[in-house]
Amino acid sequence: AQSVTQPDIHITVSEGASLELRCNYSYGATPYLFWYVQSPGQGLQLLLKYFSGDTLVQGIKGFEAEFKRSQSSFNLRKPSVHWSDAAEYFCAVGSGGYNKLIFGAGTRLAVHP
Amino acid sequence: GAVVSQHPSRVICKSGTSVKIECRSLDFQATTMFWYRQFPKQSLMLMATSNEGSKATYEQGVEKDKFLINHASLTLSTLTVTSAHPEDSSFYICSAREVLSFNEQFFGPGTRLTVL
Repeated sequence: AQSVTQPDIHITVSEGASLELRCNYSYGATPYLFWYVQSPGQGLQLLLKYFSGDTLVQGIKGFEAEFKRSQSSFNLRKPSVHWSDAAEYFCAVGSGGYNKLIFGAGTRLAVHP
Repeated sequence: GAVVSQHPSRVICKSGTSVKIECRSLDFQATTMFWYRQFPKQSLMLMATSNEGSKATYEQGVEKDKFLINHASLTLSTLTVTSAHPEDSSFYICSAREVLSFNEQFFGPGTRLTVL
């Protein structure tokens, strides 16, 4: 069965520090992978996606993610975190004929000044 | 572009009543819409997939008769929570797939349902 694992429930970083959020997936075929961000009480905003091609994907707000098939991972990175990046981050894999999204449990990011 | 709206954003109702939530794609046509449920500090769980003009496909464990989904047009899907109870209180989020965008779902801002 398809699944997504985000090992870190909660991460705290200092503003200006680098960030890496981990995501591992289980999927039988070539996965469609996504990272979304959710601010409190709001819907989801797509940060970036991977369908095929270059395994290093650039997204909005200075985020990037790297698809590593050998490790079944799609980790999200940002070189310098801003206080406004504090939010919940969800990794997801697309599954099925209608591309149903299966979400990880999420990682809550806190940013210290 | 690719904006999805939900109405209402918040709703409080009494136990036993029914509540309808609307999901609209404002600037594109969506043959497929999805309804998710999110409990506090948890991930999104897919409830059902809604296809325009046909019956919704519900995920295992989701009661079809309790969560009625209608997708009458390419820009509107509705979720009706029938005979709501406190355990139905949750954050309901819809998403819409654009016809010309094979895999991308665009998410609405969510509806907070509180059943007293």
